[in-house]
This record gives sequence, C-alpha cells and structure tokens, in this order.
Amino acid sequence: ETGVTQTPRHLVMGMTNKKSLKCEQHLGHNAMYWYKQSAKKPLELMFVYNFKEQTENNSVPSRFSPECPNSSHLFLHLHTLQPEDSALYLCASSQGARAWETQYFGPGTRLLVL
Amino acid sequence: ELKVEQNPLFLSMQEGKNYTIYCNYSTTSDRLYWYRQDPGKSLESLFVLLSNGAVKQEGRLMASLDTKARLSTLHITAAVHDLSATYFCAVGRGVDSNYQLIWGAGTKLIIKP
Repeated sequence: ETGVTQTPRHLVMGMTNKKSLKCEQHLGHNAMYWYKQSAKKPLELMFVYNFKEQTENNSVPSRFSPECPNSSHLFLHLHTLQPEDSALYLCASSQGARAWETQYFGPGTRLLVL
Repeated sequence: ELKVEQNPLFLSMQEGKNYTIYCNYSTTSDRLYWYRQDPGKSLESLFVLLSNGAVKQEGRLMASLDTKARLSTLHITAAVHDLSATYFCAVGRGVDSNYQLIWGAGTKLIIKP
C-alpha cells in the first residue's frame, strides 16, 4: 500500500450505531487531518494531529471522537450521529503541520446516516 | 474571517477550448493551493503558489496568483476529456501549528468530446 488509505470506503449506519473510520498513511508523515466534505460545500477541517498530539479541533460535535495512536494511523470514532452528518470524510497527511507542507489525501469514506 | 470563493462552480465545455477558473479570497495569505479530485478518488495536489505574480504550469493547466487582487486563476488550454474533474483552491491561514487551509467549494469541470 502506498500513500494514504482509508477504510471502509462506504458506510451506512443508524443514528444509534457506533462505528469507526480508519486512516493509514505510508508516507512517513508526522501530521494527519480529518476533513468533512459535504455536497456543494467547501471542505471543512475537523481535526489536526501533529506528532500524535491534537492541535486543532474546529468546534466539532462530541459525537465525533478522533484517536491517533501513532503518526501513521488516525481513527474517527462515530456515535449517535445525525442524518446531517452524512458526507464524505477525508483523511490527509503532511510531513508536518506547518505552513509550507502539502497535504496528501486519502480516497475518503462515504458515510450515510439513516 | 477568511473566505474563499470559486467560480464558476460548474463548467461544461468542449474539447479543444480554453477556459479559466477563478479563486478569490478575502484576506491576505502566504500561499494558495490548487487540488484536483476525480469522482470517488483522493484530492491530488496540482500547484502551490507562494508569491505575487507566481505562475506554474503542468501540461494544459496553468495557475497564477495575484496577491494584491487576492485572486488566483487556473487556466485550461485546449481542454481534453481527461481533465474532467472537480478543482479546488485552498488558501493558507495562521502560523505554525495553527495553520489551516480554507477551501473553496470546488469547480466541477466536465469536458465533452
């Protein structure tokens, strides 16, 4: 595997379910990101981890819970989601969480909340 | 508050034609990115523009930056079907660990044979 991978690619869940999204990067990067991409809206940054430490939480509801056990893996734990949380969730990584670092994206997990 | 606006949001064009996508942003920034996204695939970095007057070209795509006008353009020359995708611009905000990219809504480009 190369680059940034995400699993699952598609997920359908009920509002009472608990599920997790997984992201893995094979680029040796130190920063990882979760974004939400909704139809016809700009990408929204959710969380940033730099060297496994969370450095940004953009007022994301607590029903989204990130976890970064090491620099290569990032999880997004989901519980009691709402239908409006249906979206494409993108993971990205960069060498560091600094101004000049280009971010590399995974293919995303398309989430549908029923 | 930094806002990034792209236009058009949707563009359908014929192969062989030229067109330009515009990206306006509301406050000063030190860099601007262009990304491409194919359906069901990752966002792919195309260009990073760092200074006023910067111009970068890759194949039929050319990006430029005017920091005084807070405007970047992505110009497509003699379009081909393979360039069909959604194109995003993103502008940097903040410093160090507080650095974030603020994204435009994307321009969906369809190029018809």
